[in-house]
Amino acid sequence: LAKTTQPISMDSYEGQEVNITCSHNNIATNDYITWYQQFPSQGPRFIIQGYKTKVTNEVASLFIPADRKSSTLSLPRVSLSDTAVYYCLVAPSGSARQLTFGSGTQLTVLP
Amino acid sequence: DAGVTQSPTHLIKTRGQQVTLRCSPKSGHDTVSWYQQALGQGPQFIFQYYEEEERQRGNFPDRFSGHQFPNYSSELNVNALLLGDSALYLCASSFTPELDVTQYFGPGTRLLVL
Repeated sequence: LAKTTQPISMDSYEGQEVNITCSHNNIATNDYITWYQQFPSQGPRFIIQGYKTKVTNEVASLFIPADRKSSTLSLPRVSLSDTAVYYCLVAPSGSARQLTFGSGTQLTVLP
Repeated sequence: DAGVTQSPTHLIKTRGQQVTLRCSPKSGHDTVSWYQQALGQGPQFIFQYYEEEERQRGNFPDRFSGHQFPNYSSELNVNALLLGDSALYLCASSFTPELDVTQYFGPGTRLLVL
């Protein structure tokens, strides 16, 4: 399973765009990149998933360069409620696989 | 459409005791995975059940066992509890065949071992 590296913590202010970068140098051809968000004492919540280039949904955007060795989660105009831990995961497609979580990035949004 | 549900929400046990945690998957899902999350750490994969069988297992001792029922719900059993078993236990469900990589997590069961 590909290992990921992401910053331990980040601070931002309300209304700003936040970009969290994740490194996954050993990503395999059939690996997808998935980001989860977790609030205290809650289970992780799926945010976005992609394979290459750019993916956008109503919550975030995911930018993946051509070599796929890194990815950037972009949260537009964050609010205080976006304060959470964000996990970057890399895993092959399919549900018959285990998710390997790192320590994640603690994002703190300040007023 | 109910999401993943888990029971109980909180539990206090003493060392050496046994505990059973329960999980009901999201409607339409047939695969259940269990994770342990220690304070300040990311979730760690325990095992996954599909078609009432354990399909994959993480690096956890045999004290951790599970079961999946015909209705796809699942139980996690932990025997001979240790202080280090104190954690948030998360259940996640998904659907096979394998086109969707998304797993949906429940709110977890907070276990405290004294």
